[in-house]
Amino acid sequence: SAVISQKPSRDICQRGTSLTIQCQVDSQVTMMFWYRQQPGQSLTLIATANQGSEATYESGFVIDKFPISRPNLTFSTLTVSNLSPEDSSIYLCSVDTKPGLDTGELFFGEGSRLTVL
Amino acid sequence: GNSVTQMEGPVTLSEEAFLTINCTYTATGYPSLFWYVQYPGEGLQLLLKATKADDKGSNKGFEATYRKETTSFHLEKGSVQVSDSAVYFCALSDSNFNKFYFGSGTKLNVKP
Repeated sequence: SAVISQKPSRDICQRGTSLTIQCQVDSQVTMMFWYRQQPGQSLTLIATANQGSEATYESGFVIDKFPISRPNLTFSTLTVSNLSPEDSSIYLCSVDTKPGLDTGELFFGEGSRLTVL
Repeated sequence: GNSVTQMEGPVTLSEEAFLTINCTYTATGYPSLFWYVQYPGEGLQLLLKATKADDKGSNKGFEATYRKETTSFHLEKGSVQVSDSAVYFCALSDSNFNKFYFGSGTKLNVKP
């Protein structure tokens, strides 16, 4: 299992600014994922962050808008840059403690609710 | 491509009522299917899973059967409790568990 802490839990930001979300895991994990959940919609994968390499972004998400850091096996940050009201969402950090094995169990943080004015 | 569609909520039931939350999927290959649950103020957590056709996942009184012929994975519980009030997400992963696709979530409210 894994316990994930996300900060901040919520924030209200002005358009044009940036917000950095932190994700701390209580154990070392290879794969960390960042998801976005827009109001009334499903979770959408933004990117996969592996330690020691560049994050892999999904279609529709770019590094300039969502830069990610992964300095070690227990920590990652997601920055949402140049904020606009359309970025208002819940951002979720997730880890897979046994990638490639028959577990399929993701562990999630509580999410960071962002409101852009 | 891969996608998951689940019934919209909220679903409101009285305690001890029967619950069904519908979930259908579109996938290439041989996906695994999951139900995740998010209780108020908590992160998503795995409720149950099924990795191949006709498998039944079960946990905490909840069940779901992987139906390949109808591409469905409906969640059921015979008698819900107030403590089951949460948001339920249907999801699938590719055969390597490298990528997950989630439905939009269904909020369940159980009244005493």
